[in-house]
Amino acid sequence: AQSVTQLGSHVSVSEGALVLLRCNYSSSVPPYLFWYVQYPNQGLQLLLKYTSAATLVKGINGFEAEFKKSETSFHLTKPSAHMSDAAEYFCAVSERSGNNRLAFGKGNQVVVIP
Amino acid sequence: DAEITQSPRHKITETGRQVTLACHQTWNHNNMFWYRQDLGHGLRLIHYSYGVQDTNKGEVSDGYSVSRSNTEDLPLTLESAASSQTSVYFCASSESEVAGSYNEQFFGPGTRLTVL
Repeated sequence: AQSVTQLGSHVSVSEGALVLLRCNYSSSVPPYLFWYVQYPNQGLQLLLKYTSAATLVKGINGFEAEFKKSETSFHLTKPSAHMSDAAEYFCAVSERSGNNRLAFGKGNQVVVIP
Repeated sequence: DAEITQSPRHKITETGRQVTLACHQTWNHNNMFWYRQDLGHGLRLIHYSYGVQDTNKGEVSDGYSVSRSNTEDLPLTLESAASSQTSVYFCASSESEVAGSYNEQFFGPGTRLTVL
C-alpha cells in the first residue's frame, strides 16, 4: 500500500521566515501527491497537487511544492510565513490506478511566531 | 452552490449505542469517502463508495458500516459505539476518476463524536 511520511508533528516558524514541510512517499511508481490544509474547526482544503508533467507545483496562498522522484519527496514551501498560515498541513498520496483513494500523512501543526 | 454537509456537527453518545452520522453532497459525485481524524494518525479511511449500491472497506472499517441508496448520501453507522471511536469524522466526495487524470476530493466540515 502507498504511504507518506511527515516528520515533526509541530513546526514553529517566525513570521516572515521560510516555511518548509517535508513529505516522503513510498511507491514503486510515481503516484499522485497532494498537500491539504486544515484551519481550526474546519474541513480539509486542497493546497496543491502533483499529477503529472511539471515537477514544481504552485498552489494557493503562496505555497509551492517540488516533486523529486530520485528522493521520493514532495516538500511544501512558502518563502515568507504569515500569521494566517497557522494551521495543520497534511501530505497525501493516491495511486494512478483510477481508485481515487487517498492515504494521508500524520500531519504537521504549524505555529507562526510573531 | 454545490456543497457537502455533515450532521450532526457534534455528538455525545454512550458506549454500546448505535450512532449514525450523515453525509450529503449536492455535486452529483459518484465517489464518496469516510475518514476519521485522530491526533498522531492523520486521516484514515473507514469506508468508501464508487456509486449507488457500491460500498468498500477502508483501512479502519471494524465497527463501522455504510450504505449507498442514492448518489447524494453516504451515512456512516457505528453499530455499537466504543470509546475508541471517539474521533472527528470527515466525509468527502469526488467525481469518478478517468485514466490519466485525478479528481479532487471535497471535504465536509466534520463531525466531532464523543463516546462516553
